[in-house]
Amino acid sequence: GNSVTQMEGPVTLSEEAFLTINCTYTATGYPSLFWYVQYPGEGLQLLLKATKADDKGSNKGFEATYRKETTSFHLEKGSVQVSDSAVYFCALRGQGGATNKLIFGTGTLLAVQP
Amino acid sequence: EAGVTQFPSHSVIEKGQTVTLRCDPISGHDNLYWYRRVMGKEIKFLLHFVKESKQDESGMPNNRFLAERTGGTYSTLKVQPAELEDSGVYFCASSALGAGGGNTEAFFGQGTRLTVV
Repeated sequence: GNSVTQMEGPVTLSEEAFLTINCTYTATGYPSLFWYVQYPGEGLQLLLKATKADDKGSNKGFEATYRKETTSFHLEKGSVQVSDSAVYFCALRGQGGATNKLIFGTGTLLAVQP
Repeated sequence: EAGVTQFPSHSVIEKGQTVTLRCDPISGHDNLYWYRRVMGKEIKFLLHFVKESKQDESGMPNNRFLAERTGGTYSTLKVQPAELEDSGVYFCASSALGAGGGNTEAFFGQGTRLTVV
């Protein structure tokens, strides 16, 4: 079945450091891929998405490219801020089917220190 | 416009008791989803309503869990009787029906943290 694997945390970085959170997936066909973020005390928010191979999703300085050949959707940001501290979830939605359910990874806690 | 609202935000109950979680979706959203995150693990799908009908309940762990969405508005998720392994954060999400049955963005609530002791 479909699944998502993302790097375990916590990831601790200093402000302005480069961030990469790895995410790989297993799915048949062409799933849509997502990154969600959960800031402390808040619900999950969609950060970015990509719906087909080679698409790049971007938002708030974060980017992720849908790589079909490596089944990956790694999240990157060139310079993190303290306000980026949160839990990041990689997710996919399978192609077709009657439900639009999302399949999530385990989440990666990012802590950015000043 | 109000987002997805979940009640309560926290609940601590004893093993064997009953708990009911509530989700109010965004007004007009026909799709409603329940998910659960057990400590440190992935967020897992529980079920999906379209209006008042259960579209997919393949993720419901067992018959101690009962979800309802009477009238196609808010939804409740009842756990009876609760067990220790039911502890976790329960998320609700809603989305609009897309044109031609297509997908639209799902908006999540803050979650209900359930602790069974």
